[in-house]
Amino acid sequence: DAGVIQSPRHEVTEMGQEVTLRCKPISGHNSLFWYRQTMMRGLELLIYFNNNVPIDDSGMPEDRFSAKMPNASFSTLKIQPSEPRDSAVYFCASRWTANQPQHFGDGTRLSIL
Amino acid sequence: QKEVEQDPGPLSVPEGAIVSLNCTYSNSAFQYFMWYRQYSRKGPELLMYTYSSGNKEDGRFTAQVDKSSKYISLFIRDSQPSDSATYLCAMRTKNTGNQFYFGTGTSLTVIP
Repeated sequence: DAGVIQSPRHEVTEMGQEVTLRCKPISGHNSLFWYRQTMMRGLELLIYFNNNVPIDDSGMPEDRFSAKMPNASFSTLKIQPSEPRDSAVYFCASRWTANQPQHFGDGTRLSIL
Repeated sequence: QKEVEQDPGPLSVPEGAIVSLNCTYSNSAFQYFMWYRQYSRKGPELLMYTYSSGNKEDGRFTAQVDKSSKYISLFIRDSQPSDSATYLCAMRTKNTGNQFYFGTGTSLTVIP
């Protein structure tokens, strides 16, 4: 079975540029999560979708961050404008039902210069 | 105080050793407990998933939950070099299914 697929795997861009990260969840999974991982803070939940609807975006750090899920098989996380402090690894995860654990993609390593 | 505390290590053991990884937590409402393994430049991979207290065994891995002490452990028997990774604990309450609380991870190296 295909797991959670994220693209790109690596992104290097200059401060001020728009960054778009993409995620394809596991087929049949109803919930999708975006996380950010840094050495200092570990894994932080940014936003959570259930049945394509954003349920909890309290972890989105600023208005520069936005996320969409136009259908059950695709989600994007956008940063505009990007800043050096946004440099981190961004993970997407999905799960089937509320009592099931999450399954993670391999992440996008983002570097903002 | 963080919801979940995990010693970052690093932990280095010889091949064949028994490894004990631990997390403590402060929220007594946590009921679902997970251990993830994360290899370098990869996403976290679910290892163990347990509900409430007790032990769960899967091959060389045993997950233990002590809710009275707010303490969870992952034991790895006969450790192998392929077990070298960062291990993350995670937990959540029954009612907030979307909010998973993660430890910061323990880095483990198994030396051949």
